[in-house]
Amino acid sequence: QQQVKQSPQSLIVQKGGISIINCAYENTAFDYFPWYQQFPGKGPALLIAIRPDVSEKKEGRFTISFNKSAKQFSLHIMDSQPGDSATYFCAASGGSYIPTFGRGTSLIVHP
Amino acid sequence: SAVISQKPSRDICQRGTSLTIQCQVDSQVTMMFWYRQQPGQSLTLIATANQGSEATYESGFVIDKFPISRPNLTFSTLTVSNMSPEDSSIYLCSVRWSGQETQYFGPGTRLLVL
Repeated sequence: QQQVKQSPQSLIVQKGGISIINCAYENTAFDYFPWYQQFPGKGPALLIAIRPDVSEKKEGRFTISFNKSAKQFSLHIMDSQPGDSATYFCAASGGSYIPTFGRGTSLIVHP
Repeated sequence: SAVISQKPSRDICQRGTSLTIQCQVDSQVTMMFWYRQQPGQSLTLIATANQGSEATYESGFVIDKFPISRPNLTFSTLTVSNMSPEDSSIYLCSVRWSGQETQYFGPGTRLLVL
C-alpha cells in the first residue's frame, strides 16, 4: 500500500512558468514532509521541508503548501528554470523518522 | 550536513557474482540506511545499518542477499550477493543525525548486472 501518492509522474514546463507537484498521504501520524531534488547521476538532496503546524513555507523560488485537513501538500516552483530540470520526490515521516517516499516527478523545463 | 561518499560510483557485473558497496561519512552519524532505486522508480528502504549489531531489514529484503556491515559510526558496507539482472539498480546510502528528522543521501552506486 502506497502511503504517499505523488502526481504528476512527469511535467514539462516552459522557462519562467510555474511547476506544481502534488502529494497526498494517508497516515495521520506523519508530521514531517520533506521534498528532495535529484539530478541525473546524483543522489537525492533535501530541497525544502515543512511541518503540519504551518500552511506554507517559502525558500526562494520554492514553496511548499500544506493542507492538513485534506492530507495533501504540494511543491510550487516559481519562475522555473532549465536548471530546475530534475526528479522531485515528496516524502513523509512520523515517529520512526524513516520517510515514506512518493514515486517521483520528472520535471523538464524548456528554455 | 556532511560529505557522504560511496564506492564504487558505478559497476557492471556478471550474474552470479557479488559486489560490495562502501559508504563513508566525514563525521559520526547516528543512523545509516541503505536504499534501492530502480530505474524510474522511487526510493525503497533495504535496511537500517546498526553499529555493532545486525542490520534491520525491511520486508522483502534478507540478510543472505544483502549482507550489511557497520563497524563504526562513519562507515558501512552493503553487499549485493549472487546478483541477477533484476538487481540492476541505484543503491543509495543515507544518514541521519540524532534529534534530526532529515535524511541525507550519498551520490549512489549505479549497478548493471548482465
